[in-house]
Amino acid sequence: NAGVTQTPKFQVLKTGQSMTLQCAQDMNHEYMSWYRQDPGMGLRLIHYSVGAGITDQGEVPNGYNVSRSTTEDFPLRLLSAAPSQTSVYFCASRGGRGGEQFFGPGTRLTVL
Amino acid sequence: AQRVTQPEKLLSVFKGAPVELKCNYSYSGSPELFWYVQYSRQRLQLLLRHISRESIKGFTADLNKGETSFHLKKPFAQEEDSAMYYCALATSGTYKYIFGTGTRLKVLA
Repeated sequence: NAGVTQTPKFQVLKTGQSMTLQCAQDMNHEYMSWYRQDPGMGLRLIHYSVGAGITDQGEVPNGYNVSRSTTEDFPLRLLSAAPSQTSVYFCASRGGRGGEQFFGPGTRLTVL
Repeated sequence: AQRVTQPEKLLSVFKGAPVELKCNYSYSGSPELFWYVQYSRQRLQLLLRHISRESIKGFTADLNKGETSFHLKKPFAQEEDSAMYYCALATSGTYKYIFGTGTRLKVLA
């Protein structure tokens, strides 16, 4: 089992560019989510999904889009990158409502 | 409102000293509480969950519903305990996890 994988590990963007952060899990988990981690702010939920075809907004969804066409994949799209989106992004998955969350290794994004 | 509060951003203790990382929550339902740890340049991983009532790496945490707290404790800190610790609340009825802002633990030699 690879668990939760994320690509790329690092990315530098210019303001206004778009990109997609990839996330995949091989544990057949229903629930997947995206967080951003900023100093002093902890982990903030961006978007989450409770199954293929079902997504919902978290605490800080503006500027990000998601889709869930398969159980395994949950990409996060930045439509027009802004410096405020400079952060470390973590994808996570879990099998049930109260279960352990498994995290990916993170993507460190810098927007210039 | 549902909230997890970790009042200390940084906690420094000497090796061998007891350590307590505080976590308070605000939630009207029946909470499920977790502690996650992130070692330097590694991904977050589960340390403890309140329903299992186990001790991992010498750490324990007890849910106190009266004080709405889930403090993490270890009687004798080790240098390898230095990490970022997050308290998290899973709300019943939804799939949302709510994280605290984290406490960085530094164990000094």
